[in-house]
Amino acid sequence: GAVVSQHPSWVICKSGTSVKIECRSLDFQATTMFWYRQFPKQSLMLMATSNEGSKATYEQGVEKDKFLINHASLTLSTLTVTSAHPEDSSFYICSARPPGQQEKFFGPGTRLTVL
Amino acid sequence: GEDVEQSLFLSVREGDSSVINCTYTDSSSTYLYWYKQEPGAGLQLLTYIFSNMDMKQDQRLTVLLNKKDKHLSLRIADTQTGDSAIYFCAESIRGYNKLIFGAGTRLAVHP
Repeated sequence: GAVVSQHPSWVICKSGTSVKIECRSLDFQATTMFWYRQFPKQSLMLMATSNEGSKATYEQGVEKDKFLINHASLTLSTLTVTSAHPEDSSFYICSARPPGQQEKFFGPGTRLTVL
Repeated sequence: GEDVEQSLFLSVREGDSSVINCTYTDSSSTYLYWYKQEPGAGLQLLTYIFSNMDMKQDQRLTVLLNKKDKHLSLRIADTQTGDSAIYFCAESIRGYNKLIFGAGTRLAVHP
């Protein structure tokens, strides 16, 4: 199957700092990528849909000024958690769907811990 | 509305079959998926089924879909210890873009 990578796999930061997470489609181009957040022992919640060359679409209740998404190329989307606080600590997972395929492939996730 | 529900925990003996159940509410679902998540890892797509199908089989995995009751199940034959993980059911709506996930079923396989 297609491969989606994320970097970093884990990050610890101080409260108030910003953290950037990268999501890359390694062997296909993705005009759309998706960002999910997963709290411990809970399901994945879609945060936003990242669109190459245009603004991201955010789900209800997700602050677009806090979670900045940039999809600058067909293989890279970034999620920046600005002014992170301990309640932003979570597992962030991205996914992408190769053109013409039904399957969505997920990255390995990034665990963010805000102290 | 959009809602997907799963039982939270299932324990089976190694070698037995596991059946994980899921119900969903959105009748406009087009595809339904099963994903596996091992500890600390991302999601691995196991299988998916189109909403006009009743059954799909792939090696040890059998997916059954009852569209009338909006019920989806995943059967794992000859369950092994390596199958221990969390299994998420998800439905695809709105033209394949948005996935709605259930809370996940933790499968524990014991000797």
